[in-house]
Amino acid sequence: AQSVTQLGSHVSVSEGALVLLRCNYSSSVPPYLFWYVQYPNQGLQLLLKYTTGATLVKGINGFEAEFKKSETSFHLTKPSAHMSDAAEYFCAVIHTGGFKTIFGAGTRLFVKA
Amino acid sequence: DAGITQSPRYKITETGRQVTLMCHQTWSHSYMFWYRQDLGHGLRLIYYSAAADITDKGEVPDGYVVSRSKTENFPLTLESATRSQTSVYFCASRPGVSSYEQYFGPGTRLTVT
Repeated sequence: AQSVTQLGSHVSVSEGALVLLRCNYSSSVPPYLFWYVQYPNQGLQLLLKYTTGATLVKGINGFEAEFKKSETSFHLTKPSAHMSDAAEYFCAVIHTGGFKTIFGAGTRLFVKA
Repeated sequence: DAGITQSPRYKITETGRQVTLMCHQTWSHSYMFWYRQDLGHGLRLIYYSAAADITDKGEVPDGYVVSRSKTENFPLTLESATRSQTSVYFCASRPGVSSYEQYFGPGTRLTVT
């Protein structure tokens, strides 16, 4: 069965610092991988996705993530945090042909001035 | 381009009452989903639908009913609301079998007193 683990329910960084949000998945075959962001009182929106091809994927707002099959990881990074990045971030996986997306528990990112 | 909308955005109801949450998407996406989001539980899938008149249970379907007579609408009904169903409910859609990202509505915050 698939599962998604996000290390750290809360992450705090200073404005301008590196953002690193960790995601590991458990799956017998490499799934498709996603990061979603949720701002207060809003629904989730897609930040970036990995399906096939290049393992380093770029998303909106300067975020990127790298798929590492050997480590079963899909960590999200941004070189320089901005106050507007404060939100909750969800890692998610789904198998080819699957209906159900498995979401991680989420990581709330705080950005300090 | 309205996308995916949910109504009402906020609802307070009493225990035992029937409540219907509406979801409408303008993209003609084949797949639609209902999730609930609770602190400590993340996102949990209630029901999903692969097409009009095709629905199936998710992780937590008890106490909920769905229907999908038209592709664009996917209402969720709480037949007899309980306090444990106090939550934020999100509807989402997905284009089809070969496209895996989901598009979320803004959510409905439901309080059962």
